[in-house]
Amino acid sequence: DIQLTQSPSFLPASVGDRVTITCRASQGISSYLAWYQQRPGKAPKLLIYAASTLQSGVPSRFSGSGSGTEFTLTISSLQPEDFATYYCQQLNSYPLTFGGGTKVEIK
Amino acid sequence: EVQLVESGGGLVKPGGSLRLSCAASGFTFSKAWMSWVRQAPGKGLEWVGRIKTKTDGGTTDYAVPVKGRFTISRDDSKNTLYLQMNSLKTEDTAVYYCTTDGDAFYEWGRGTLVTVSS
Repeated sequence: DIQLTQSPSFLPASVGDRVTITCRASQGISSYLAWYQQRPGKAPKLLIYAASTLQSGVPSRFSGSGSGTEFTLTISSLQPEDFATYYCQQLNSYPLTFGGGTKVEIK
Repeated sequence: EVQLVESGGGLVKPGGSLRLSCAASGFTFSKAWMSWVRQAPGKGLEWVGRIKTKTDGGTTDYAVPVKGRFTISRDDSKNTLYLQMNSLKTEDTAVYYCTTDGDAFYEWGRGTLVTVSS
């Protein structure tokens, strides 16, 4: 199974901060990586797919990069609605797996 | 507008069975791969399994913890996805989401809570 390790697990930040979350895969997954945002009590929402493609309707302050085993999600200027938990997911091979999550909290 | 509405969750005893449904609208269901994802209370996301379109063979794949106990099926005439869960264990307690599936999980339902407890 491909393991995805997200870091950090918790990220204290302030409105306006530039935030970067890393996702490392235990083996190469090309660009078969997606990022999701989950607010408390809500379903996850797709932000980025194919490692760097912004899903329609998602603000441009979100961006993704990477390929192979190392990926990043960047929020260029954190907004109040961005305080949430973020997950990466690999779709390269079965079983499909998610990272453990990164909770972006108010500092 | 794409809508996915899960139903069928509830309280069940260990060893019991439950069938979840996911009613889909706003897109051509028969052309969509679909997945189930679950989230235990306070925990992260876990993929449960996937079903492809009939055109792509209608095949299913499952996560190891549920293989042999859970079965995903679809009824394209009813635009509905199913998850039959047998031999339930306490560790199956979670919110279960259905999702559209492809390069990523594009659309998600709101989920239905399954609680396995004696």
